Amino acid sequence: EAQVTQNPRYLITVTGKKLTVTCSQNMNHEYMSWYRQDPGLGLRQIYYSMNVEVTDKGDVPEGYKVSRKEKRNFPLILESPSPNQTSLYFCASSHSTGSVPGELFFGEGSRLTVL
Amino acid sequence: QKEVEQNSGPLSVPEGAIASLNCTYSDRGSQSFFWYRQYSGKSPELIMSIYSNGDKEDGRFTAQLNKASQYVSLLIRDSQPSDSATYLCAGIKANFGNEKLTFGTGTRLTIIP
Repeated sequence: EAQVTQNPRYLITVTGKKLTVTCSQNMNHEYMSWYRQDPGLGLRQIYYSMNVEVTDKGDVPEGYKVSRKEKRNFPLILESPSPNQTSLYFCASSHSTGSVPGELFFGEGSRLTVL
Repeated sequence: QKEVEQNSGPLSVPEGAIASLNCTYSDRGSQSFFWYRQYSGKSPELIMSIYSNGDKEDGRFTAQLNKASQYVSLLIRDSQPSDSATYLCAGIKANFGNEKLTFGTGTRLTIIP
């Protein structure tokens, strides 16, 4: 089954404790991206990757890191989480031949609470 | 001005009627548009893409793009309770190799049985 898998789905942590949200896709997609979704603000892009070893900032990259060492995986790293990073996070992937795609497959989401 | 704007709703439509969802965009350079459906507590799911002016139909769904007026709409015919969800409009702005996909904040649709 084609899917984008995120882990963990739910996480409560404390300020400053480093965490990683993993994302893996089994569709051999070149493009992967992370979004956060907040009430009234919609989906905002954090980082994206056009292919292995190619990553770039989205609209709200502050406080986040990513890496793309393998095509299937695109982890999101919060080095020192703060309460304003409490949000619902989505990983998405898509086939791309070099341009930003609009037809995304989303993971199930990871709800993060930072106390 | 937001790049992609939607009325947040809620929009209530009787079962069997036509639901009309609208989206406007600010940048004339935007080329491609997408409609996603998001059920409460779930992830967004792509339902329609539209790349050129005019209408595109897929089953009960019709996407309409009017580049001159800078709006995109989604019509849902014969609305069903299962269509109750938040609908997200998204557009890609072509910007000489620095393209960007931007989402609207979504319109919540409720189909009343």
